[in-house]
Amino acid sequence: SQQGEEDPQALSIQEGENATMNCSYKTSINNLQWYRQNSGRGLVHLILIRSNEREKHSGRLRVTLDTSKKSSSLLITASRAADTASYFCATDATGNTGKLIFGQGTTLQVKP
Amino acid sequence: NAGVTQTPKFQVLKTGQSMTLQCAQDMNHNSMYWYRQDPGMGLRLIYYSASEGTTDKGEVPNGYNVSRLNKREFSLRLESAAPSQTSVYFCASSAEPGTFIGYTFGSGTRLTVV
Repeated sequence: SQQGEEDPQALSIQEGENATMNCSYKTSINNLQWYRQNSGRGLVHLILIRSNEREKHSGRLRVTLDTSKKSSSLLITASRAADTASYFCATDATGNTGKLIFGQGTTLQVKP
Repeated sequence: NAGVTQTPKFQVLKTGQSMTLQCAQDMNHNSMYWYRQDPGMGLRLIYYSASEGTTDKGEVPNGYNVSRLNKREFSLRLESAAPSQTSVYFCASSAEPGTFIGYTFGSGTRLTVV
């Protein structure tokens, strides 16, 4: 059973536009993380937001967390062709074990 | 700084054959994980090891066994491969739970069972 549901499943935008991806989850969490996966590669950790945080920034990335709605969003501003990848949210939902449960991902295509 | 190293990168097995996927990390992480990734399914946890000497089942453990050989190495074994185990397998590691640091992933093993 997967914890995260991501929306949209696929997103296509032009370079320079902003990209927003959403993640909903089912249970209480300690933290929520976002990962990027380029085609044929492993996942790379992007950003982590704790359950007591509402917003976090890292470079062109902005993550929000609404624990009352059990949802998070990832905003990539001023997108670049190199941002083309799949993006996954993952939740640490079982106390302090660090065992992550991943959503199904959003595939982002940024057209030059 | 290699991070997490997985071998092999590609493998084709016949149904019923066995094999072991190797994973090693050089970051002195305590926790290690095996996931499989199938199209449209995201990543699903097979087994994990919170610390050296311990292993636990994840969401989809059937057909697999694991060994935490030492702090660095965590192997995944398929005793009798089945076509349903065709997938991409990822190993990951992390520091202590609660340190709020993300996972480090290997580059994956693409396994095909025919």
